Amino acid sequence: AQKVTQAQTEISVVEKEDVTLDCVYETRDTTYYLFWYKQPPSGELVFLIRRNSFDEQNEISGRYSWNFQKSTSSFNFTITASQVVDSAVYFCALSEAQTGTGTASKLTFGTGTRLQVTL
Amino acid sequence: ETGVTQSPTHLIKTRGQQVTLRCSSQSGHNTVSWYQQALGQGPQFIFQYYREEENGRGNFPPRFSGLQFPNYSSELNVNALELDDSALYLCASSRITGGVDTQYFGPGTRLTVL
Repeated sequence: AQKVTQAQTEISVVEKEDVTLDCVYETRDTTYYLFWYKQPPSGELVFLIRRNSFDEQNEISGRYSWNFQKSTSSFNFTITASQVVDSAVYFCALSEAQTGTGTASKLTFGTGTRLQVTL
Repeated sequence: ETGVTQSPTHLIKTRGQQVTLRCSSQSGHNTVSWYQQALGQGPQFIFQYYREEENGRGNFPPRFSGLQFPNYSSELNVNALELDDSALYLCASSRITGGVDTQYFGPGTRLTVL
């Protein structure tokens, strides 16, 4: 069974601080995909990034960066110079490879980390 | 903007009633998934439809059912509502092209069961 753990329930930072959101996952699959989504107060889940299990290259996109380490089953997310608009709940999710019709590419989500950025 | 829309935004029902939630997928997407998100929790997978057929189901009872239409819009139906069905219901559309698809979510329907 797949499982995603986000141990940090809530994080509060002051604007311009860097913050790292932790994600640890469990899966028996050798090929899988990891995602981060952002959920602002409006409720809509906003897709941020997708990584493949066979690609451990870390990625930077603007103020966002992701650190994928297969050896520790972690996929951490860092926001540099946080802003008030970054305040939201962030979800890490896991999906097995979709092998054809009849195999749902369902997302298994963690419980989320609420990030509060204040002035 | 993901191009995925849901209606209604909010809904209040009483226990035992039936409800239908609607989702309009992003253009060109052939797959729709439905998730239930209880307060303070992560979304839980209900089921997925691919080309109008159910393509997988999570741990939800049969009173949760769905439909996907040729234009890729879809419905989630819940019969015999229970208090625990109160949640945010999210639909996500995607295009399965082999390997993996990225799911794009709508704004959700918040269902309250009294």
